Amino acid sequence: DIVMTQSPDSLAVSLGERATINCKSSQSVLSSSNNKNDLGWYQQKPGQPPKLLIYWASTRESGVPDRFSGSGSGTDFTLTISSLQAEDVAVYYCQQYYTTPLTFGPGTKVDIK
Amino acid sequence: EVQLLDSGGGLVQPGGSLRLSCAASGFTFSNYAMTWVRQAPGKGLEWVSAISGDGHHIYYADSVKGRFTISRDNSKNTLYLQMNSLRAEDTALYYCAKNLMNGVALYDYWGQGTLVTVSS
Repeated sequence: DIVMTQSPDSLAVSLGERATINCKSSQSVLSSSNNKNDLGWYQQKPGQPPKLLIYWASTRESGVPDRFSGSGSGTDFTLTISSLQAEDVAVYYCQQYYTTPLTFGPGTKVDIK
Repeated sequence: EVQLLDSGGGLVQPGGSLRLSCAASGFTFSNYAMTWVRQAPGKGLEWVSAISGDGHHIYYADSVKGRFTISRDNSKNTLYLQMNSLRAEDTALYYCAKNLMNGVALYDYWGQGTLVTVSS
């Protein structure tokens, strides 16, 4: 199984400042068939299901604000919120879809400082 | 508008069974793979099972293999999860979710979740 890890476990950022979340996979999730990384990011707010933010490591889902961006390749990935807004307080998860079993990272909680 | 309405959760004793359902609308159900993801109280997300749009390809997490069965009825636009031999560690909020697109097992629409509690 591909093990996903995230760092930090939690972070507090001032409004308008940058938040950076890291995700690492235990093996490469770069697909040889299309040269894309099979890695996505979700945002989950309390009492709500997850919301898809990013797929193929860096493609924003329709309707997602452009302050959210994803980067990385192979085994190391980053989700960046360029200017944190109050509504961005949530837990963020990465997920690999390179192979089954599909696996999620443990989550990173983002709060306002 | 895409909607996923999951139901069927409840309190069940260890060793018991439950059948979850997920009624889909707002998209061509048979064109999309579907999945079940669970979340134990206060914990992270765990993928449980997935099924292709035609129902011919099915996948399970090792933790549920042999105990859970995923299925779908494309004539009724409904996804199911039959859960047998339930254990305390199966206690979780179970979400059904729709695949974003073919070849991308990420989920763009989710149900609100149905709570399964396994306890004596």
